[in-house]
Amino acid sequence: AQSVSQHNHHVILSEAASLELGCNYSYGGTVNLFWYVQYPGQHLQLLLKYFSGDPLVKGIKGFEAEFIKSKFSFNLRKPSVQWSDTAEYFCAVNEGTNAGKSTFGDGTTLTVKP
Amino acid sequence: DGGITQSPKYLFRKEGQNVTLSCEQNLNHDAMYWYRQDPGQGLRLIYYSQIVNDFQKGDIAEGYSVSREKKESFPLTVTSAQKNPTAFYLCASSSGRIVDYGYTFGSGTRLTVV
Repeated sequence: AQSVSQHNHHVILSEAASLELGCNYSYGGTVNLFWYVQYPGQHLQLLLKYFSGDPLVKGIKGFEAEFIKSKFSFNLRKPSVQWSDTAEYFCAVNEGTNAGKSTFGDGTTLTVKP
Repeated sequence: DGGITQSPKYLFRKEGQNVTLSCEQNLNHDAMYWYRQDPGQGLRLIYYSQIVNDFQKGDIAEGYSVSREKKESFPLTVTSAQKNPTAFYLCASSSGRIVDYGYTFGSGTRLTVV
């Protein structure tokens, strides 16, 4: 079965620090990859997604992620975090043939200190 | 505005009772999903449906049942056979198109067994 690993359960940064959240998955075939974010008191929402093409994808609010097929990774990055980025972040993976069914990582809680 | 409505937001159930969680979407999405979220465990798939009158078990379907009689509705019943039902339940939908597998989530229902 597909599995998704997020290595950091809780990350604490100061404003303006750079962010990288790790995500690794186990499936060796074609995948679609996602990062979702849940801000305090809000719905889970899509941050960015990779389907095909350029492995560096850009999302909302200055986030980007890089798909490295050889490493089965899809790490999330932001050059300079803000206090408003405090949230829980989830990585998710669809196997290419499993239309729509996503497997999620356990999530990473990011706390940004002002 | 289009979206997903989950109700109720909070639900209390006595042991031995079945309860039904509502999920309605007006996004004209073909696919709908139920996930369970427990602290530190991310989201785990309970059931999903890619088309009306059809649904499949996810990773943790035991003790749950669903129906998909209408495109816009995908109710989840938590039966008395579910051994540990206290959790946060999230409903999601997607268009089902391969280029758009990202989910739209509802606000969730927090179920507590008392």
